[in-house]
Amino acid sequence: EVQLVESGGGLVQPGGSLRLSCAASGFTFSSYAMSWVRQAPGKGLEWVSAISGSGGSTYYADSVKGRFTISRDNSKNTLYLQMNSLRAEDTAVYYCAKAIFGVVIIGAFDIWGQGTMVTVSS
Amino acid sequence: AIQMTQSPSSLSASVGDRVTITCRASQGIRNDLGWYQQKPGKAPKLLIYAASSLQSGVPSRFSGSGSGTDFTLTISSLQPEDFATYYCLQDYNYPQTFGQGTKLEIK
Repeated sequence: EVQLVESGGGLVQPGGSLRLSCAASGFTFSSYAMSWVRQAPGKGLEWVSAISGSGGSTYYADSVKGRFTISRDNSKNTLYLQMNSLRAEDTAVYYCAKAIFGVVIIGAFDIWGQGTMVTVSS
Repeated sequence: AIQMTQSPSSLSASVGDRVTITCRASQGIRNDLGWYQQKPGKAPKLLIYAASSLQSGVPSRFSGSGSGTDFTLTISSLQPEDFATYYCLQDYNYPQTFGQGTKLEIK
């Protein structure tokens, strides 16, 4: 079964750091671009960051550029999001998502994790 | 960044109704658009990719159309389980951008 499972969310103070993980199974992880998408409470979906299958190319939303770093360990089938200098407006459920087709660097998201909640508050 | 303008933001309809949701891109995006359904407390689910291709396992009452800047999601005959929030997402370039969402409610 194709599956994504996020972990690492929690409560953090403004200015703090957190690292999210997304464990993948059931597909050839290294062949697919992966993304992080977040959803603030009661709000819509916001694309956050993406990484190519090899990890050689990364992309960020302006709202997180310079503060968040996406990475992957293909030997562990795991995607990461390192979040630094966290702000109250980063409070959201964070989802990892898999691109529908391999090889391409961008695409629709056919598989999503269940999400992990990040709360930034003092 | 490409802006995705989705309308309406909310919609009341009855079981059996035909419903249409639209998404307009601020520039041409070929057919690089997907539609997603999200129910409360759940992750989004892909319904349509490449503007008009039905994702595996999605009922045929869902269909998508459009190319360039204007796109449409149609539900031909609403079922009780279709009441949810729907989003479009462009995958033409980075940063990927979502529409604001359409909340479909029971009339």
